[in-house]
Amino acid sequence: AQSVSQHNHHVILSEAASLELGCNYSYGGTVNLFWYVQYPGQHLQLLLKYFSGDPLVKGIKGFEAEFIKSKFSFNLRKPSVQWSDTAEYFCAVNEYSSASKIIFGSGTRLSIRP
Amino acid sequence: DTGVSQNPRHKITKRGQNVTFRCDPISEHNRLYWYRQTLGQGPEFLTYFQNEAQLEKSRLLSDRFSAERPKGSFSTLEIQRTEQGDSAMYLCASSLDGGVNEQFFGPGTRLTVL
Repeated sequence: AQSVSQHNHHVILSEAASLELGCNYSYGGTVNLFWYVQYPGQHLQLLLKYFSGDPLVKGIKGFEAEFIKSKFSFNLRKPSVQWSDTAEYFCAVNEYSSASKIIFGSGTRLSIRP
Repeated sequence: DTGVSQNPRHKITKRGQNVTFRCDPISEHNRLYWYRQTLGQGPEFLTYFQNEAQLEKSRLLSDRFSAERPKGSFSTLEIQRTEQGDSAMYLCASSLDGGVNEQFFGPGTRLTVL
C-alpha cells in the first residue's frame, strides 16, 4: 500500500532562513507527487506537483521540490522563508495516471518568527 | 467564485443524530472526492466519484456513511447515527478526467459531535 512519511512534525525558523521539509513515499510503481499548503484559516492549495520530466519542480511563492527516485523522496525547499509562509505543508502521492485517491502525509507545521 | 464549495462550513450535532454535507465541485470537473481530516493528520481518502458512479470506497467509510452524486454534479455525504469519533473536517475535492490527477480542494465542513 502507498504511504507518505513527513519527518518533521513542527519546524520553527526565522525569516530569511532556508527551508527544507522532508518527504518520503512508499510505492513500487510510477507516481505523481504533490505538495499542498494550508495557510491558517484557509483551505488546501496546491503548491507544486511532479508528474514526469525534470525532477526539479518549481512551484508558487518561490518553493521548489526535487524528486529523487532512488531515495523515494520529494523534499520541499525554499531558499529564504517569509513570515507569510507560516502554514501546514502536506506531501502527497498517487499512482501515475490514476484517477483515484491521493495519499497524504501527516503534515509539517511551519512557524516563521518575524 | 469558481472553486469547490462546501456547505455547511460548520456543523455541531448530538451523538446519534444524522448529518448531511454538500459539495459543489468546479463545474467542468467530472471527478469528485471526499476526504476526512482530523487534528494533526493529513486528509484521509473516503470515496471517489467519476460522474455519478461511485468507483472507490475506503475501509474508513463504515456502513453509517453514504455518499451520492445523483446527477454527476454536486455530491452529498451523509453520516447516520453520528458518534464522537466522527468529529473531523470533511473535505471535498474535484479534478478533471484524463491525464494527471490534480485535485482542487474545498474549504471543508467541520463536524463536531457532542
